[in-house]
Amino acid sequence: KQEVTQIPAALSVPEGENLVLNCSFTDSAIYNLQWFRQDPGKGLTSLLLIQSSQREQTSGRLNASLDKSSGRSTLYIAASQPGDSATYLCAALLGGGSRLTFGEGTQLTVNP
Amino acid sequence: NAGVTQTPKFRILKIGQSMTLQCAQDMNHNYMYWYRQDPGMGLKLIYYSVGAGITDKGEVPNGYNVSRSTTEDFPLRLELAAPSQTSVYFCASSYGGLGPTDTQYFGPGTRLTVL
Repeated sequence: KQEVTQIPAALSVPEGENLVLNCSFTDSAIYNLQWFRQDPGKGLTSLLLIQSSQREQTSGRLNASLDKSSGRSTLYIAASQPGDSATYLCAALLGGGSRLTFGEGTQLTVNP
Repeated sequence: NAGVTQTPKFRILKIGQSMTLQCAQDMNHNYMYWYRQDPGMGLKLIYYSVGAGITDKGEVPNGYNVSRSTTEDFPLRLELAAPSQTSVYFCASSYGGLGPTDTQYFGPGTRLTVL
């Protein structure tokens, strides 16, 4: 069974700290991996998409990496802010490419 | 553009009732999707559509039906609601399918409780 898992389930950090969110997947035949942000009561917003031929993508204070050989992706957030508080989900388009497989999410709280 | 819109935002159903969750997008996207998200879990695909008149099952289709008569609309029908269908339902759309660069755009969700 193809799976995507995220650890930790919740993370609380002080403002200004750099942090890393982890995502692992079971199938090395990955087409792409996306990171989404979900605010309470809202839908998902795409943050970064890494194609299988890429190793990382950057947008502002966010940097996402992809290591197919180890089945891992990380989302690095620099100089965290209270406005970064949200749930972050990763989703992988795995071998077969018929649907996105989502992780359970990491709930991030950045304390002022 | 309004993007992806969903109605209603909240709904409480009794066991055995039926209802339709509405989804519309104004981005002229070909692909549309329905997901459900249970507490503490990732999203699971219920049904998807690659264009008007074409739909297909996802990972958890039982108890649901869909139709796609226009490019803009993709309603999800619940027949004989059961407590196991208590969840948050998200509609999404994308221009292309599941290509290496395709991103899905999500609606705000419908929170459904079946009692």
